[in-house]
Amino acid sequence: GQQVMQIPQYQHVQEGEDFTTYCNSSTTLSNIQWYKQRPGGHPVFLIQLVKSGEVKKQKRLTFQFGEAKKNSSLHITATQTTDVGTYFCAADTGRRALTFGSGTRLQVQP
Amino acid sequence: DTAVSQTPKYLVTQMGNDKSIKCEQNLGHDTMYWYKQDSKKFLKIMFSYNNKELIINETVPNRFSPKSPDKAHLNLHINSLELGDSAVYFCASSQVPISGNTIYFGEGSWLTVV
Repeated sequence: GQQVMQIPQYQHVQEGEDFTTYCNSSTTLSNIQWYKQRPGGHPVFLIQLVKSGEVKKQKRLTFQFGEAKKNSSLHITATQTTDVGTYFCAADTGRRALTFGSGTRLQVQP
Repeated sequence: DTAVSQTPKYLVTQMGNDKSIKCEQNLGHDTMYWYKQDSKKFLKIMFSYNNKELIINETVPNRFSPKSPDKAHLNLHINSLELGDSAVYFCASSQVPISGNTIYFGEGSWLTVV
């Protein structure tokens, strides 16, 4: 079935460094969502992008949807230890349920 | 009040046993899901129900049987548990099953089969 590919699988940064995770699909997406899962926790909705080229910001987090609506990125500026967790993109691939990317696990060294 | 609640949170059981995980949502949503998260954190849809009707049934062994007595509840029964069933099972809900709806997850049920 259709997949949503996410890279990198894992990233370890020093506190204060920036972090980016990328999500790619082989097909055009109607929208894309991002979720964060803290260690030991459950995925929590962060944001949804719908329009081609859309950029949204939440404090230090910047979310972008590609012009062709086939890719998306999440960028964190000046990471903090509270940013630790796994970040998932998720998209509707025509199955009436979200298909989640493989996730990017972020570790932040104080 | 917890929006999506599932029990038990932790479950350790022996191979061959049968176990159930219960889920309830108080958000008034029409759609509920079961997702499985393996040790590599990959989240995979197992089942989806909309208003008590099964709408998604992924390639899951038929040892797994979901039951939705009403639209606020979706339980998961697993027969003849195997080692490979060890995972975190997340119940979730959304307003409707169409694209663009936010999914609200329960806190997860950590299943360990020994």
